This record gives sequence, C-alpha cells and structure tokens, in this order.
Amino acid sequence: RKEVEQDPGPFNVPEGATVAFNCTYSNSASQSFFWYRQDCRKEPKLLMSVYSSGNEDGRFTAQLNRASQYISLLIRDSKLSDSATYLCVVRGYGGATNKLIFGTGTLLAVQP
Amino acid sequence: NAGVMQNPRHLVRRRGQEARLRCSPMKGHSHVYWYRQLPEEGLKFMVYLQKENIIDESGMPKERFSAEFPKEGPSILRIQQVVRGDSAAYFCASSPAAGGLETQYFGPGTRLLVL
Repeated sequence: RKEVEQDPGPFNVPEGATVAFNCTYSNSASQSFFWYRQDCRKEPKLLMSVYSSGNEDGRFTAQLNRASQYISLLIRDSKLSDSATYLCVVRGYGGATNKLIFGTGTLLAVQP
Repeated sequence: NAGVMQNPRHLVRRRGQEARLRCSPMKGHSHVYWYRQLPEEGLKFMVYLQKENIIDESGMPKERFSAEFPKEGPSILRIQQVVRGDSAAYFCASSPAAGGLETQYFGPGTRLLVL
C-alpha cells in the first residue's frame, strides 16, 4: 500500500464550480500534512498546510480527519488559473521528519 | 530575494556518462533536500544534507548516486554511469532549519534525459 494515496483524476470542471480532492495516508503516527500545487513541468509550490481543526485560505479549505487518516482539499469558485496537479504531502514521522512523502497528485482542469 | 536555484535546467546524457546536478539553496537556508520525480509518479525523497554532512540518505539508490553539500558552493547530486531509468526530474528543496514545521521550498528542477 502506498504511504499517500490520491485519486489521479483528471477532474474536468467548469469555471465557478466547487471541486474536492481526497487523500489517505497509511501511517497513523504522521503529524504534519500539506497540499502542494504543481503546474506542468514546474516545481511543487506549497498551497497550504493542513491543521487538525481545518483551515481556510480564500477559496481553498483543507480538512484533516486523523481517525480515518484522510485529508481533503476543497476549491470553491474554480478559476482557469487553478488548473494544475494538486499534491497531497505528509511529513515523515519518527526519525524521518525531514522528508516529505508525496502522493502522485490529482490533475485538475478548469474549463472556460 | 532569489529562490532555490538549480542548474542545469535540462541535461542530456548518453548511457554510461556522468550527470552532475547543482543546487543553491535560498539565502539563509542551510538544509538541502533532493527529490526525484519519475514520469507519471510522485516525488520521492532521496537525501537530506546540511553543510558538509549527509543527514539522511535513505532514499538514495545504493549504487551510482552520491550527494554532497560542501562548506562553500552549491549542493551536488552526482549520478555515475547513467542508465535510461535515471531519466527524471530532479528537484532540490531548502529550508532554514530542520523538520518540525519548516517549509521546504523547491527549485525549478533539472530534467535529466538519458539517451
């Protein structure tokens, strides 16, 4: 089983739509979680950290369910510029907190 | 304030040659991480270095790959005797400190193509 699993998509949505991505992680000892965004042939960029209480940044809302080992990202009012691959990322645990563990990403294509 | 810099951005090598990938961390960052992204796969951790020290190389292939971060100059990821399976995007990241809540900032990557 992969350490971080995501639906690869693609998710094709019209502008203005609300879209949700899900992610599961395998190790219950994991403590830190993130969503990164990666544009085609570019580097990953931090979109937001994910906190236990849930957190919001503009049109983006991230949720964490530790009991289910499940992370989500909700994008409201999708823009064309949101088209990218969204990476679910878990920080390593125990003696490996210096490495990030990436999911394979979910591709979002926002259509005009 | 320059971000993480990597060069070259694209590198073409023939099988059996050596590839050297360079990474200059953000100003003030002394922690460097290398990740590899194979086609259609997620990024995979390779190695974590501080100045003059390899801290965690658990993701490095056992043979042909090495990394260093000297006291002066950029971090170098070296791949000897490259094979086609080494073709990938290699990303470097840096952070001001280790672990905890420190964000890793990624460079633009080096895309290695082995012919």
